[in-house]
Amino acid sequence: EIVLTQSPATLSLSPGERATLSCGASQSVRRGYLAWYQKKAGLAPRLIIYDASTRATGIPDRFSGSGSGTDFTLTISRLEPEDSAVYYCQQYHVSPGFTFGQGTKLEI
Amino acid sequence: VQLVQSGGGLAQPGGSLRLSCAASGFTFSDYNMCWVRQAPGKGLEYISHITSTGSETHYGDSVRGRFTVSRDNAKNSLYLQMNSLRPEDTAVYFCARGTAWLFYWGQGALVTVSS
Repeated sequence: EIVLTQSPATLSLSPGERATLSCGASQSVRRGYLAWYQKKAGLAPRLIIYDASTRATGIPDRFSGSGSGTDFTLTISRLEPEDSAVYYCQQYHVSPGFTFGQGTKLEI
Repeated sequence: VQLVQSGGGLAQPGGSLRLSCAASGFTFSDYNMCWVRQAPGKGLEYISHITSTGSETHYGDSVRGRFTVSRDNAKNSLYLQMNSLRPEDTAVYFCARGTAWLFYWGQGALVTVSS
């Protein structure tokens, strides 16, 4: 099983700033089979990035994903108040099933 | 695409509940489906998935042997039968389309296990 470790646990920033969220894997996530989700209370998770760097439909270009192997990053530029949420990374390289990181809480 | 969940509620420890997920807007029988949960104050956790034909099922360690995933492609529906429920199974349960990246999700169903 691949264990994903996200950092920091909490990130507090101001509107207009840039957020950098990290996701480290215990072993290589080949083919970049890694996704990022935004989770707000009472709502289903929202897919932000898949295959490490591809933005999901409807996601603004302020959101970008990068990385390979064991180190992945979600960058959110020009932060807006509505970006406040918990962000999770997910690997789907090792099957069956998939695993999530423990989440990063972003406070704007 | 819509995934509409039903069946959550309160169960006693050791009891059972069945969750349903009704799919529409796509060819249900073409897709693997999965279940993910979020316990109060905790992160997202993979629970189970089932292949498009229903021929293969897989479970996370925390529910294996107690939960059973199934589907009825004629009714465009996904199910999660939860037996031997424990207080730590208290969570919001989500169904989702696929087993890789997950774009389409149900609205979630709250399951509370308490005496």
